Amino acid sequence: SQQGEEDPQALSIQEGENATMNCSYKTSINNLQWYRQNSGRGLVHLILIRSNEREKHSGRLRVTLDTSKKSSSLLITASRAADTASYFCATALTDSWGKLQFGAGTQVVVTP
Amino acid sequence: KAGVTQTPRYLIKTRGQQVTLSCSPISGHRSVSWYQQTPGQGLQFLFEYFSETQRNKGNFPGRFSGRQFSNSRSEMNVSTLELGDSALYLCASSPPDPSSYNEQFFGPGTRLTVL
Repeated sequence: SQQGEEDPQALSIQEGENATMNCSYKTSINNLQWYRQNSGRGLVHLILIRSNEREKHSGRLRVTLDTSKKSSSLLITASRAADTASYFCATALTDSWGKLQFGAGTQVVVTP
Repeated sequence: KAGVTQTPRYLIKTRGQQVTLSCSPISGHRSVSWYQQTPGQGLQFLFEYFSETQRNKGNFPGRFSGRQFSNSRSEMNVSTLELGDSALYLCASSPPDPSSYNEQFFGPGTRLTVL
């Protein structure tokens, strides 16, 4: 079974708009990470947020983490066509070396 | 630094054959994890190696095996291939910094097609 679930499954926006996607998970985590994948290619690491952090920024990305609700959100501001990709959240559990549990992903399409 | 590399990038095999995939981690990274990605099951963890030892293993049959060499390069092997083994196989490496627990950097993947 998958630890994380993303919402929505798909998102279609225009360039310049913001894109927000959410991730919920089931058990306590050490950290949560977000990845991007372009059409069947490898995963690109976007950001890692630790369980004791509430918000993190990286460029146009903003990630929040609410451990009481077991949820996280990823906000991409001022979207570009190049942001078109699938976005995955992945959770790292304590004492589970090398294992990330991924959600099903959110497919984002940004139209020019 | 060079990223994670995987070879080959594409493979076509027939049922019953075996296959070996290779992964070279980022220089200095000693942990290598493997994942299988399919449209139906998504991304699933296969196993992780650190200092030539398997530390963690997912729920895959024994046909899936791996190993790691002293230079941290890793290989995974699938024996007696089945049609359902068709997938993108991804390898990832993690830095040794404890504060980067399970922070993983992925290679481009090997696309395996079983006919």
